[in-house]
Amino acid sequence: EAQVTQNPRYLITVTGKKLTVTCSQNMNHEYMSWYRQDPGLGLRQIYYSMNVEVTDKGDVPEGYKVSRKEKRNFPLILESPSPNQTSLYFCASSLTDRGRSHGYTFGSGTRLTVV
Amino acid sequence: ILNVEQSPQSLHVQEGDSTNFTCSFPSSNFYALHWYRWETAKSPEALFVMTLNGDEKKKGRISATLNTKEGYSYLYIKGSQPEDSATYLCAFFSTDMRFGAGTRLTVKP
Repeated sequence: EAQVTQNPRYLITVTGKKLTVTCSQNMNHEYMSWYRQDPGLGLRQIYYSMNVEVTDKGDVPEGYKVSRKEKRNFPLILESPSPNQTSLYFCASSLTDRGRSHGYTFGSGTRLTVV
Repeated sequence: ILNVEQSPQSLHVQEGDSTNFTCSFPSSNFYALHWYRWETAKSPEALFVMTLNGDEKKKGRISATLNTKEGYSYLYIKGSQPEDSATYLCAFFSTDMRFGAGTRLTVKP
């Protein structure tokens, strides 16, 4: 089944403790992206990747890192999480073209709470 | 900064009612407009990808139109059913991209 797999689904952590949210897709998509969803706001892009070893900042990259060493994986790293990073996170992928022409396939989401 | 507005924010209708909502976006540098359906506790799912002015797309009881010159897209649901209850998101693509905040639809049996 074609899908984007995100883990974990839920995570509660403490301020300053490094964490990684994994994202993997099995559709050979070139484009992958991370978003966060906060109440009253639309999905906001954190980072995106056009292909292996090519990543770029989205609208809200502060406090996050990403890597794209393999085409299928695009982990989101929070080196020193803070409470303002408490949010619902989604990974998404698309065939190419920054997702414009093909639409996104989203992962199931990760609800992160930083205390 | 791209401004993508969706209206209304929320909508409550009775089963069987037809409804529509709007996504407004800048009319310059248009590339594509997406619609997504997002059910509670699930992830957004693509409904339509629209790229041409005047595009009309249909999937079952749901359809969408696109006017890139005036910068809006309408999503229509004919004969709403309780299972249509969800948040409907639009995403606008130009040289950048932006999601709207969504319209939350509740269909009462």
